[in-house]
Amino acid sequence: GENVEQHPSTLSVQEGDSAVIKCTYSDSASNYFPWYKQELGKRPQLIIDIRSNVGEKKDQRIAVTLNKTAKHFSLHITETQPEDSAVYFCAASSTRLSGTYKYIFGTGTRLKVLA
Amino acid sequence: DTEVTQTPKHLVMGMTNKKSLKCEQHMGHRAMYWYKQKAKKPPELMFVYSYEKLSINESVPSRFSPECPNSSLLNLHLHALQPEDSALYLCASSQDSPIPGQATYEQYFGPGTRLTVT
Repeated sequence: GENVEQHPSTLSVQEGDSAVIKCTYSDSASNYFPWYKQELGKRPQLIIDIRSNVGEKKDQRIAVTLNKTAKHFSLHITETQPEDSAVYFCAASSTRLSGTYKYIFGTGTRLKVLA
Repeated sequence: DTEVTQTPKHLVMGMTNKKSLKCEQHMGHRAMYWYKQKAKKPPELMFVYSYEKLSINESVPSRFSPECPNSSLLNLHLHALQPEDSALYLCASSQDSPIPGQATYEQYFGPGTRLTVT
């Protein structure tokens, strides 16, 4: 079945450095790619998303890039801060003409920003 | 109101109990979802309601029974659960239902109900 691979599973960076998390999806019908941040014991919160007709999107320190040909997309966080520490999930979503709907999460990346 | 709320926050139940989880949103969203999240794992989609009708059931065991009384409320009825069903159950909503061939809308998650089955 369809899946979403996410790497790395853990990432430690020094405060102020950049962090990059990568995801690869298998379903060519995927057309929506959100990124969620989940702090311990809290709900997943959408931080940025990108649709298949766009190659890059930026929101302050956060950016996402999408390569449809290679079926991968990446999250870039610049000038990291300790409060960026959390688990980050990518997801890929599709809705086929048959009505089949998929919203598949990656396996998650635990980001630690060291002060 | 820009939140999805869920009750209860925590629930402990025996394998013979019947309980229900509740989810509510007042954002006018027309699609609502149930997810199951085990510790250190990603959320897994269980059910999708679109315009108050169950549109997708991801082959979830029948001991989980969803109900959508109206466009703002979503319930998950639990009966004869197993210890392996212990998890965080997340509700989410989105502006509109998934439309074939078109990009979907972002989902907003509730805080979840942490369920323990003993």
